[in-house]
Amino acid sequence: DAGVTQTPRHEVAEKGQTIILKCEPVSGHNDLFWYRQTKIQGLELLSYFRSKSLMEDGGAFKDRFKAEMLNSSFSTLKIQPTEPKDSAVYLCASRDRNERLFFGHGTKLSVL
Amino acid sequence: QQKVQQSPESLIVPEGGMASLNCTSSDRNVDYFWWYRQHSGKSPKMLMSIFSNGEKEEGRFTVHLNKASLHTSLHIRDSQPSDSALYLCAATNTGNYKYVFGVGTRLKVIA
Repeated sequence: DAGVTQTPRHEVAEKGQTIILKCEPVSGHNDLFWYRQTKIQGLELLSYFRSKSLMEDGGAFKDRFKAEMLNSSFSTLKIQPTEPKDSAVYLCASRDRNERLFFGHGTKLSVL
Repeated sequence: QQKVQQSPESLIVPEGGMASLNCTSSDRNVDYFWWYRQHSGKSPKMLMSIFSNGEKEEGRFTVHLNKASLHTSLHIRDSQPSDSALYLCAATNTGNYKYVFGVGTRLKVIA
């Protein structure tokens, strides 16, 4: 199954640490999204890349969150420094030519 | 800031019943609506999309769209326990291609 791959599946960090989440989109998809999902806020957009160019940097998330698209098949999301309120599921998705989003399994982050 | 509102927050329907979920966007530039389904512990998967006024049916699922009011609804007939999930509505604007999601409606189908 050549879907969206996210690693790690789980991450536990101490407050103040730097963590890096990884994502490999579906081959051939040009658009990539990073979302944070919580029960209260739902899916919040963190970053959006179109053909490796950053189109959306997440507004309120700018200060400690940085997403990069190193090449068309690999993206990272760095959170620095982490805070307990960052505990959530982080989802990566890529979009096909029909505008459909395909999500990875997500990374569950717990910040102590 | 574009917002997508979904109602109700949660819904319980009996097996075989009809489930109706609602979604409205506050952005008048939105021209495409999407419905995604997320089973517990899994990632969201696309269910249906609609961009024209009217309705679209796929099996037990029907989507309606009223572009004037930017309102879409998803109806599931003959609901099954396997339909129990979080249903997410999203809206896109071909101007910026950004996907904005609502918080979702949690559906539970009881046998």
